[in-house]
Amino acid sequence: SQQGEEDPQALSIQEGENATMNCSYKTSINNLQWYRQNSGRGLVHLILIRSNEREKHSGRLRVTLDTSKKSSSLLITASRAADTASYFCATDGDSNYQLIWGAGTKLIIKP
Amino acid sequence: DTGVSQDPRHKITKRGQNVTFRCDPISEHNRLYWYRQTLGQGPEFLTYFQNEAQLEKSRLLSDRFSAERPKGSFSTLEIQRTEQGDSAMYLCASSFPQGYGGSYEQYFGPGTRLTVT
Repeated sequence: SQQGEEDPQALSIQEGENATMNCSYKTSINNLQWYRQNSGRGLVHLILIRSNEREKHSGRLRVTLDTSKKSSSLLITASRAADTASYFCATDGDSNYQLIWGAGTKLIIKP
Repeated sequence: DTGVSQDPRHKITKRGQNVTFRCDPISEHNRLYWYRQTLGQGPEFLTYFQNEAQLEKSRLLSDRFSAERPKGSFSTLEIQRTEQGDSAMYLCASSFPQGYGGSYEQYFGPGTRLTVT
């Protein structure tokens, strides 16, 4: 069963705009991770945020975590065509190895 | 290129045949994972190794599926008597414990796309 659910399922924006994707999950977690998947490079880890962290940055990426609402958001600023991909959140529930994934948000950046 | 390789990249087989996939993780990583992914969905956990020990198997993994990781290096996933429902992308990932609790960053291979006709 899927733990995380991303929202929206699909998002299409103009290059240069910001993209925000949300993830909701059901159980308590240790960590939440975001991954990107495109046909060229497969699944690539973007960022890991621990349950005691509220916000984390990596380059043009900003991730927030609200454990009280069991939700996370991924913000990509100044989007580029190369950001076109599917974005997944993955949570570990009460496990330290098993990741449970949502169905992903498909992001399309229009030139 | 994440450093995790999988072979073959594509496999077409007839229903009822056996298939075997190989994964070579990053050499320093002691954890290895197998996932299955179907179109439009996220990966589904299948099984997990720490070194050579298989520590967890998903209920998704029927008796037709078996995985090994001899000597804690590469791993193989075998599907016996394939069914059309086995058609999917099979992903391998590896990770190394980073000293704190919870899950770790996983490095994925390119996957093996299986088509059962």
